Amino acid sequence: NAGVMQNPRHLVRRRGQEARLRCSPMKGHSHVYWYRQLPEEGLKFMVYLQKENIIDESGMPKERFSAEFPKEGPSILRIQQVVRGDSAAYFCASSPPRGQGTDTQYFGPGTRLTVL
Amino acid sequence: AQKITQTQPGMFVQEKEAVTLDCTYDTSDQSYGLFWYKQPSSGEMIFLIYQGSYDEQNATEGRYSLNFQKARKSANLVISASQLGDSAMYFCAMRDQPNTGNQFYFGTGTSLTVIP
Repeated sequence: NAGVMQNPRHLVRRRGQEARLRCSPMKGHSHVYWYRQLPEEGLKFMVYLQKENIIDESGMPKERFSAEFPKEGPSILRIQQVVRGDSAAYFCASSPPRGQGTDTQYFGPGTRLTVL
Repeated sequence: AQKITQTQPGMFVQEKEAVTLDCTYDTSDQSYGLFWYKQPSSGEMIFLIYQGSYDEQNATEGRYSLNFQKARKSANLVISASQLGDSAMYFCAMRDQPNTGNQFYFGTGTSLTVIP
C-alpha cells in the first residue's frame, strides 16, 4: 500500500512565478491536509479538504494561495506570484474517513519550495 | 495560547539509554488525540505513536511509549534503548475539536542527538 505521494520533492521558482504542489493520499484515505514548515519551526496547518470540498481553510493566507482536491486526480496546492517568504517545506497528509481508526494523519515526504 | 508546548529545543542521550521528550498541551475539549512524529534529517514526517484522551492505558509501540498524564495535560514520549538512528527532530501534535475540524497542532519540536 503506497504511502502519501508528493511531487515535486524540490521546486525552485523566481519571484512572481506560480508554484503547483501535488499530493496523492494513501489508498482509501479521503481526507487531505496541507501544512507548511518554515525553517527551524513546527508544522502549521493550512487547509483541510475532502474530495471536491474545502472543509477548513483557516490556516491559508487570504491571497495568492489556493487548494483543491478534485474528484479525480491529486490534491493541488497552488501559490501564485510567489515571494521569498513562501520558501518553506510544504507537507501533505491524509487520513481515512471519520470513524475508521484514530484520525492519525500520515504525511508525505514534503515539497521543498525555494523562491529565488 | 500555544496548543502544544515542547520546552526542550535539544536533547542528548547516550546510546542504549532511555530518554524522555516533554510535551504539554492545552485544550478544553474532552475528546482529543495526541501524536508523536519523528523528522529525520531527510525531512519526512514519520508517525510514531498515538494516545486518545479516553485511553486508560499509556500507548506503546516497540521502543516508544507515551507517558500520558491527563490531569497535568502532558504527553511525554519515552524512547527506550536509544539507537543512533533515533537522532532526529521529534514533534508532538494534538487533534481536538473532532466535530468541527481535524487539523493538527504541532509543537516546535525537540532535536534529539544520540551519542555513541
